[in-house]
Amino acid sequence: AQSVSQHNHHVILSEAASLELGCNYSYGGTVNLFWYVQYPGQHLQLLLKYFSGDPLVKGIKGFEAEFIKSKFSFNLRKPSVQWSDTAEYFCAVHTNAGKSTFGDGTTLTVKP
Amino acid sequence: NAGVTQTPKFQVLKTGQSMTLQCAQDMNHNSMYWYRQDPGMGLRLIYYSASEGTTDKGEVPNGYNVSRLNKREFSLRLESAAPSQTSVYFCASTIEILRSPGELFFGEGSRLTVL
Repeated sequence: AQSVSQHNHHVILSEAASLELGCNYSYGGTVNLFWYVQYPGQHLQLLLKYFSGDPLVKGIKGFEAEFIKSKFSFNLRKPSVQWSDTAEYFCAVHTNAGKSTFGDGTTLTVKP
Repeated sequence: NAGVTQTPKFQVLKTGQSMTLQCAQDMNHNSMYWYRQDPGMGLRLIYYSASEGTTDKGEVPNGYNVSRLNKREFSLRLESAAPSQTSVYFCASTIEILRSPGELFFGEGSRLTVL
């Protein structure tokens, strides 16, 4: 069965600090990888995605993620966070078995 | 564009009551999903439908039933609600990319409280 593990449950940063959120997945086949963001009181929306090709993908709002196949990882990064980045972030794996599995989420709090 | 529409947005039930959450998408997506979101537990898949006429159990299907009424609509039914089903429910839809689900488009969620 596929699974997704996010290393940090709650991250607190000051504005302009750098961010890296860890994500590891467990699945032996082909995967599509995603990071979604959920702002307070809202539904999930796509931050970035990886299907194939360049393992370094760029998303909205200055976020990027790197797919390292050998490590089954897809870590999310941002060089300088803003207060408006305060949200919950979910890593997700969508496989050719038709299922989509989410990690437990990481709550990011950015202090102004 | 409406995207994914869920109704109702809020509902309070008593234990043992039944209800149906409705979901419709207007993006011509083949696959539709129902998730529940609980604090600290991320999103857990209840049921999904890879195409019209098919449904499959996800991670936490007990206590729920689904109907893929047509390509647009995918409903979730609680036959006898229990307090453990208090949660926020999200419907989502997608198309396949490289034979796997692509980006999920989510509805705004339905907050259900079972007393």
